[in-house]
Amino acid sequence: GQQVMQIPQYQHVQEGEDFTTYCNSSTTLSNIQWYKQRPGGHPVFLIQLVKSGEVKKQKRLTFQFGEAKKNSSLHITATQTTDVGTYFCAGGDYKLSFGAGTTVTVRA
Amino acid sequence: DAGITQSPRHKVTETGTPVTLRCHQTENHRYMYWYRQDPGHGLRLIHYSYGVKDTDKGEVSDGYSVSRSKTEDFLLTLESATSSQTSVYFCATTGESTDTQYFGPGTRLTVL
Repeated sequence: GQQVMQIPQYQHVQEGEDFTTYCNSSTTLSNIQWYKQRPGGHPVFLIQLVKSGEVKKQKRLTFQFGEAKKNSSLHITATQTTDVGTYFCAGGDYKLSFGAGTTVTVRA
Repeated sequence: DAGITQSPRHKVTETGTPVTLRCHQTENHRYMYWYRQDPGHGLRLIHYSYGVKDTDKGEVSDGYSVSRSKTEDFLLTLESATSSQTSVYFCATTGESTDTQYFGPGTRLTVL
């Protein structure tokens, strides 16, 4: 079945620095979604990418869908303490396959 | 969030006892899901439902059963709880016209 892998599993970032987390699928995806889970909370939808090569921005977050629709990335610029949490990518339609997530901690 | 509640929010039980977790939604969403979340594994699908009385297995369904007798309620039952089922359980829903999933607050289950 479809497998979605994320790297890195942990990302320790100095406040103000940039970082990128990557998502790779074993199969072509119809779309990719990104979710964020704050510590102690539940996953919350951030964005969905549908088109090959699509790039979307939300303030300091840039999401990209690969040309082959088998990979995606999330780039955060000027990391803030509010960015702390676990970021999940998920592929599929009504039944999503989630990656294991990238847990982000921020050093002030 | 899409009006999803889960009960109980916390539960401690003993090995071998049956446990039922409830998910309730007020959005009239067709699809409902049960996931478990464990460190290093992300969210793994246990069972899902695509309508009243229509359910199917996910990737980690062994030891779990579900029922959906009403659109708004989706129950997850552990027939005989084991320590390996200690986890955080999330319910999620999605509607007809979107793939976006909305998650409930989660239930933390500890099996001793």
